[in-house]
Amino acid sequence: DAGVTQSPTHLIKTRGQHVTLRCSPISGHKSVSWYQQVLGQGPQFIFQYYEKEERGRGNFPDRFSARQFPNYSSELNVNALLLGDSALYLCASSRQIPSYEQYFGPGTRLTVT
Amino acid sequence: SQELEQSPQSLIVQEGKNLTINCTSSKTLYGLYWYKQKYGEGLIFLMMLQKGGEEKSHEKITAKLDEKKQQSSLHITASQPSHAGIYLCGADMYSGGGADGLTFGKGTHLIIQP
Repeated sequence: DAGVTQSPTHLIKTRGQHVTLRCSPISGHKSVSWYQQVLGQGPQFIFQYYEKEERGRGNFPDRFSARQFPNYSSELNVNALLLGDSALYLCASSRQIPSYEQYFGPGTRLTVT
Repeated sequence: SQELEQSPQSLIVQEGKNLTINCTSSKTLYGLYWYKQKYGEGLIFLMMLQKGGEEKSHEKITAKLDEKKQQSSLHITASQPSHAGIYLCGADMYSGGGADGLTFGKGTHLIIQP
């Protein structure tokens, strides 16, 4: 079975621009979570979606938003990009919530210049 | 302060030797996850522990969660070059059922010397 897939792999944007990152969960998984990982740190939780509804939100500004589609894929949107948004953005999927095994995708490397 | 502390931050081990990585919290952990990450890549799921005293093994890697569910250890036996990478522990820190996502430690960088 295919794992979690994310697109694009790499992205370079300019300050003030907007970006959309995409994630497709493992087949049969209904929950998608988004994390931000800056260099040298562990991932930080941004959002969790389950059955197309937001179930959890981390401590991130309103510039960050997400949604989940009927096929359970998900988008993460970031507006008005700042240099500090440069990071690896990771998507994780799980079959259900809570406390099910979470599998991560390869990530999208976002560089903001 | 960091809610989930990992130690050591980095580890250099000769190939064939055993090693242990620790993950500690001052709060009860409602689910403890171990992942491996190669630099700049996604996280590879290793194991998930939920019950106090639980122990799981996969190939040469064993993970344990203590009875109080505040500390976990990851032990690698007879290390190999393929074990090199960053090991991350992540945890459900709240009893609300995971809607707050996983809280991660900063990771342990493992280098295996031939």
